[in-house]
Amino acid sequence: SQTIHQWPATLVQPVGSPLSLECTVEGTSNPNLYWYRQAAGRGLQLLFYSVGIGQISSEVPQNLSASRPQDRQFILSSKKLLLSDSGFYLCAWSQGRHTDTQYFGPGTRLTVL
Amino acid sequence: GEDVEQSLFLSVREGDSSVINCTYTDSSSTYLYWYKQEPGAGLQLLTYIFSNMDMKQDQRLTVLLNKKDKHLSLRIADTQTGDSAIYFCAGMNDYKLSFGAGTTVTVRA
Repeated sequence: SQTIHQWPATLVQPVGSPLSLECTVEGTSNPNLYWYRQAAGRGLQLLFYSVGIGQISSEVPQNLSASRPQDRQFILSSKKLLLSDSGFYLCAWSQGRHTDTQYFGPGTRLTVL
Repeated sequence: GEDVEQSLFLSVREGDSSVINCTYTDSSSTYLYWYKQEPGAGLQLLTYIFSNMDMKQDQRLTVLLNKKDKHLSLRIADTQTGDSAIYFCAGMNDYKLSFGAGTTVTVRA
């Protein structure tokens, strides 16, 4: 069966520091991968998605970036965090293109102070 | 992109039925989903409905879809304390999900 992991579970970082969040998927190959952010009391906002290694699409302009160095690994990064980057970051995967269900990881709670 | 709207809060007595409503704008959504989020956790897929269906039942869950009105609802029968959570509806269009803000369901004894 497929599983999705996110690391770390929680993170507290100062403003201006770098960020690296990791997402890995097991039990499948060539998944579509997604990064979402959930701000407090709000729905999910799609940040990035990837349909293959090295293929990243950005949905919103911001100081975050994403990379997919391996088939089942998706990294969310920032060179300098802002206060507004605080939130709950969720990674998701799906198999296929147009209609496949997305399955979510446990999330990373990021607090920028 | 799609706009998805939900009411923010619902309080229900244990044993009663809960109905969570959602409206969406993009009629080309292929699938519509309901996810559940418990405190501090990721999203758990509850159920989904294909856009050419108008009803789907899965144990205590019933999804109704009114394409004409672009209205989706989730009914939970015999609501239990473990059903307390935030429920998100989402529309899928070309493998992108658009989420509502979530409905916080509180089950009271």
